[in-house]
Amino acid sequence: AQSVTQLGSHVSVSEGALVLLRCNYSSSVPPYLFWYVQYPNQGLQLLLKYTTGATLVKGINGFEAEFKKSETSFHLTKPSAHMSDAAEYFCAVSVTRSGAGSYQLTFGKGTKLSVIP
Amino acid sequence: EAQVTQNPRYLITVTGKKLTVTCSQNMNHEYMSWYRQDPGLGLRQIYYSMNVEVTDKGDVPEGYKVSRKEKRNFPLILESPSPNQTSLYFCASSSFREGPGTQYFGPGTRLLVL
Repeated sequence: AQSVTQLGSHVSVSEGALVLLRCNYSSSVPPYLFWYVQYPNQGLQLLLKYTTGATLVKGINGFEAEFKKSETSFHLTKPSAHMSDAAEYFCAVSVTRSGAGSYQLTFGKGTKLSVIP
Repeated sequence: EAQVTQNPRYLITVTGKKLTVTCSQNMNHEYMSWYRQDPGLGLRQIYYSMNVEVTDKGDVPEGYKVSRKEKRNFPLILESPSPNQTSLYFCASSSFREGPGTQYFGPGTRLLVL
């Protein structure tokens, strides 16, 4: 079974500073990896995903993440934080189940990002 | 506009009173799923559906039922709600074409069971 660990339930950064949100996963098979973002009182939306190929993945709003198989990590970064980045971020891993098209998406517990002006 | 809608958005009920939370998507997605979100626990999958008339349990299915009679709709049914089902519920859908894990979420339904 796969699992996701997000280090730090709450991260605070100053506006303009580097954002680094950590995610480690475990999976017995090659995973698909995702970052979702949840703004206050809204549903989740996909930020970026890694399936195969290039290990550095770029997403929306200037975020990117790097898949490091040797470290089983998929950390999310943004060079310069903006006030609008304040939200909760979820790392997720997807592994296919038996049955055509079936898969299980497992989420981490989330990291709440605060941006200090 | 492509979207997943849920109704109601907020619901207060009492223990044992059956309720249904509706979910509808207009993107012709094959896959639909229900999650509950609790503080410190992240999102946990309740049930999912691969297509019409095909449903299966997720990680926390106890106390819930679902049905998928039409492709666009995937209601969540609580036959006899209990206080431990107080939570924030999300419906999500996805297309096989976009690959596993790329899901579109509804706005959420906040449920309080007294």
